[in-house]
Amino acid sequence: KAGVTQTPRYLIKTRGQQVTLSCSPISGHRSVSWYQQTPGQGLQFLFEYFSETQRNKGNFPGRFSGRQFSNSRSEMNVSTLELGDSALYLCASSLAGAGAEQYFGPGTRLTVT
Amino acid sequence: DQQVKQNSPSLSVQEGRISILNCDYTNSMFDYFLWYKKYPAEGPTFLISISSIKDKNEDGRFTVFLNKSAKHLSLHIVPSQPGDSAVYFCAARERKNRDDKIIFGKGTRLHILP
Repeated sequence: KAGVTQTPRYLIKTRGQQVTLSCSPISGHRSVSWYQQTPGQGLQFLFEYFSETQRNKGNFPGRFSGRQFSNSRSEMNVSTLELGDSALYLCASSLAGAGAEQYFGPGTRLTVT
Repeated sequence: DQQVKQNSPSLSVQEGRISILNCDYTNSMFDYFLWYKKYPAEGPTFLISISSIKDKNEDGRFTVFLNKSAKHLSLHIVPSQPGDSAVYFCAARERKNRDDKIIFGKGTRLHILP
């Protein structure tokens, strides 16, 4: 079974731009969650999608949004990028949801200059 | 306010000895706890979990202990091996109306010394 894939793996953007990250979950997994990892803050939950519906949301500004497609693939969008958005963005998929065992992708390293 | 705390940013342990990673939490509504391990340039991988109705769960070299009264859990790795060198994240779940809120700690970097 293929694992969770994320594209692109690395991205460099400038302040004010917007970015879209993509995640393909493990086949059969309907839950996809997104996390931001920074050196000082660890793993912070962004949101979870389950069967195309946002089921849960963390404490991030509205510039961070996401969606899930009927094939469970998910995208995360960040608009009006700020320097502080530089981070590793991780996607995780699960059969049962964010609170159960999750399978993480390798992440997308976003650098905002 | 940090609800899940891993107070040791790093830990060094001799190969073959026991590694003990600690995690404290403040929210008494957490009902499920998980440990993940992360190597550089890879996503975290699930290690072991424990329900709040238990106080111990064991899987091979890994054992997680939960002390609900102290709001403390620990991960024991025995014996420690070089491949155990990684960052370990503790995570806790709060379930509300079938929706899960998951909070991760900031991680502890474990170094296994030869």
